Amino acid sequence: AQSVTQPDIHITVSEGASLELRCNYSYGATPYLFWYVQSPGQGLQLLLKYFSGDTLVQGIKGFEAEFKRSQSSFNLRKPSVHWSDAAEYFCAVGVFGNKLVFGAGTILRVKS
Amino acid sequence: EAGVTQFPSHSVIEKGQTVTLRCDPISGHDNLYWYRRVMGKEIKFLLHFVKESKQDESGMPNNRFLAERTGGTYSTLKVQPAELEDSGVYFCASSQTGLGSSYEQYFGPGTRLTVT
Repeated sequence: AQSVTQPDIHITVSEGASLELRCNYSYGATPYLFWYVQSPGQGLQLLLKYFSGDTLVQGIKGFEAEFKRSQSSFNLRKPSVHWSDAAEYFCAVGVFGNKLVFGAGTILRVKS
Repeated sequence: EAGVTQFPSHSVIEKGQTVTLRCDPISGHDNLYWYRRVMGKEIKFLLHFVKESKQDESGMPNNRFLAERTGGTYSTLKVQPAELEDSGVYFCASSQTGLGSSYEQYFGPGTRLTVT
């Protein structure tokens, strides 16, 4: 069955530090991969997506993610975190039938 | 361009009552989805409309949940009668048609449903 694992429930980083959020997926076919962010009181916002081609994808707000087929991973990175990045981040895989399967989410806290 | 909107933003009802959630997708998006996040768990797929037709309702928990999409525009999700385990955040999303595009789903802010 398809699944997405985000091993870190909570992560705390200092403002200005680099960030990496981990995501591993299980899906038999070529995956469509996504990262979404949910800020407090807001809906889910699409940060970036991978469909094919270059395995390093750029998204909004300075985020990037790298698809590694051999590791079934799609980790999200940002070189320098801002206080406004504090939010919950979701990795998702698009499966047959246009559905998205989500990970449990990672809550990012930014300390000043 | 207006995003996906959902109404109400919050709803508190008693067990056994009925609640209807509404979703207005992005104009021109034929695909409409409902997802739910129960507290502490993953966001899970409920169902998918293509225009006014239900394409996939495999995620609907039981027959207390009824979704409709009138004329291929807005959608409603009715829970009748509500049970305690129905509490959670209900998200609506929409997407365009096309390989790849259909997976690029834009989400609304969600409706937080609390059943007491």
